[in-house]
Amino acid sequence: ETGVTQTPRHLVMGMTNKKSLKCEQHLGHNAMYWYKQSAKKPLELMFVYNFKEQTENNSVPSRFSPECPNSSHLFLHLHTLQPEDSALYLCASSQEVGFNEQFFGPGTRLTVL
Amino acid sequence: GQNIDQPTEMTATEGAIVQINCTYQTSGFNGLFWYQQHAGEAPTFLSYNVLDGLEEKGRFSSFLSRSKGYSYLLLKELQMKDSASYLCAVRDGYNTDKLIFGTGTRLQVFP
Repeated sequence: ETGVTQTPRHLVMGMTNKKSLKCEQHLGHNAMYWYKQSAKKPLELMFVYNFKEQTENNSVPSRFSPECPNSSHLFLHLHTLQPEDSALYLCASSQEVGFNEQFFGPGTRLTVL
Repeated sequence: GQNIDQPTEMTATEGAIVQINCTYQTSGFNGLFWYQQHAGEAPTFLSYNVLDGLEEKGRFSSFLSRSKGYSYLLLKELQMKDSASYLCAVRDGYNTDKLIFGTGTRLQVFP
């Protein structure tokens, strides 16, 4: 595997379900990010982790819970989501916070019924 | 507030030149980025400007004017594969990786 991978690529869940999104980067980077991309809206930063420590939480509702066990892996735990949370969730990584280029994964297309 | 504006859609012909504009109003500024995103794929990094002027990289160039809060991405010798969305993003401060994105410009290249 190379670059940034995300699983699953597609997810359909009910509002009472609990699910997790997984991101893995194979680039030796130390910073990882979660973004939300909704139709016709700008890409929106959710969380930033630098050396496993959370450095940004962009006022994200608590029904989204990130976890970064090490610099290569990032999870987004989901529970009691709303239909308006349906979107493409993108993971990205960079060498460190402040480096210019972020490398994005292919995203997880989430549908909340 | 934080605001990034770019046109929603543009069309152009194969072999032509197209300029995609981006204006921004942010509380801070520490660099402007352009990303390319093909439908159903991840965004990929194109360019980064932090000082005024033009940065050229092959067929793509990016320009920044900090005093005007303005940038453009210039694509030369357009190819069909350039049909994609182009995202403008501003990093709004130092010691942060918070990128504020525009909604993106969807470019369609016709033969």
